[in-house]
Amino acid sequence: KNEVEQSPQNLTAQEGEFITINCSYSVGISALHWLQQHPGGGIVSLFMLSSGKKKHGRLIATINIQEKHSSLHITASHPRDSAVYICAVQGSGSRLTFGEGTQLTVNP
Amino acid sequence: KAGVTQTPRYLIKTRGQQVTLSCSPISGHRSVSWYQQTPGQGLQFLFEYFSETQRNKGNFPGRFSGRQFSNSRSEMNVSTLELGDSALYLCASSSRTGGADTQYFGPGTRLTVL
Repeated sequence: KNEVEQSPQNLTAQEGEFITINCSYSVGISALHWLQQHPGGGIVSLFMLSSGKKKHGRLIATINIQEKHSSLHITASHPRDSAVYICAVQGSGSRLTFGEGTQLTVNP
Repeated sequence: KAGVTQTPRYLIKTRGQQVTLSCSPISGHRSVSWYQQTPGQGLQFLFEYFSETQRNKGNFPGRFSGRQFSNSRSEMNVSTLELGDSALYLCASSSRTGGADTQYFGPGTRLTVL
């Protein structure tokens, strides 16, 4: 079993829909990161969480430390949100362990 | 502030050769981590350097090595290249090691081994 499990692996939505991506982990962490990767490879950090909830624009990330679970929500999705979303947990130092990623496609 | 830069962006090598990749972190950042991304294995941690010292190492063979200079720039080296080393190599910098800290990723170096 992977240390970081993401679901779903693929997600297709219509523009305007509310989207949820889930992440479960099985190890102790110092923080959980949500990352976005566009075609071509560039990775952008969306959120870093160690507790509670964060919001940035249409994106919301939550974490439940006791249940070892995090969710990334996108409200009013847009075609430009199409990308791979990756959950990563931070253990010792700056080392990240990654989930397999969720390929999101938002159709107009 | 300039972002994380990686050179070269693309590289083609043949089996048995060696390669050196470079990463310049954001100014003031002292931690540099390296990651390998392949379609089969996804993103995997290679190693982390902080203040010129290797702090963590992932499960990669000894052919993969790295170092960090006093200006925090880091290099990674892969010797005796194998076909399976074809991948996107990403580095990320942060201001400190340990604790919750945002990591900033470079654009990556795409290595193709023929």
